[in-house]
Amino acid sequence: EAGVAQSPRYKIIEKRQSVAFWCNPISGHATLYWYQQILGQGPKLLIQFQNNGVVDDSQLPKDRFSAERLKGVDSTLKIQPAKLEDSAVYLCASSLTDRGSYEQYFGPGTRLTVT
Amino acid sequence: AQSVTQLGSHVSVSEGALVLLRCNYSSSVPPYLFWYVQYPNQGLQLLLKYTTGATLVKGINGFEAEFKKSETSFHLTKPSAHMSDAAEYFCAVSDGDNDYKLSFGAGTTVTVRA
Repeated sequence: EAGVAQSPRYKIIEKRQSVAFWCNPISGHATLYWYQQILGQGPKLLIQFQNNGVVDDSQLPKDRFSAERLKGVDSTLKIQPAKLEDSAVYLCASSLTDRGSYEQYFGPGTRLTVT
Repeated sequence: AQSVTQLGSHVSVSEGALVLLRCNYSSSVPPYLFWYVQYPNQGLQLLLKYTTGATLVKGINGFEAEFKKSETSFHLTKPSAHMSDAAEYFCAVSDGDNDYKLSFGAGTTVTVRA
């Protein structure tokens, strides 16, 4: 089966610009996650969707970050305006459900550099 | 809330030697525990997981881990390192089915010497 797809793979922008990332989860996976992985740290959950509804966005900086999952399939994560500290790899993951025992499958990530 | 501590940010082993990566966790309820591997410029791949049952868990690529409740540990081992094991390894914990969210450790980078 096809894995989680993400684009672009790399993005370089200047601070105060905006950027958007796209994720296509594994077919049939109801749950979609966005993580931020800063260099030298483990991934940190930003937002979780169950179908097209937000389940948890408690760690999403809502003043600059937004995310949507239209029709419960693809998702986009947007940053506007970007700050230097947003430089990180943004990982998308999906799972069949949000039960803790189900494996999360990760995409290759988008590496964002803010200059 | 759960948290994970991985002891040692870098581990260097000789090819054929034992690989041991340490992970300690804190959780208020019986946890689910995971080890993920990340190769350069790739996403995370699940190596193994513990949910319930047998405390010694076998995963892919010859790795295994043992859940020790008394020590709140979930250390990862592989008897004989291969050059292809060079990667970054992350331990993660969730509060079982009470809370789906994964909390990751900071990661351990493994290098394998020929």
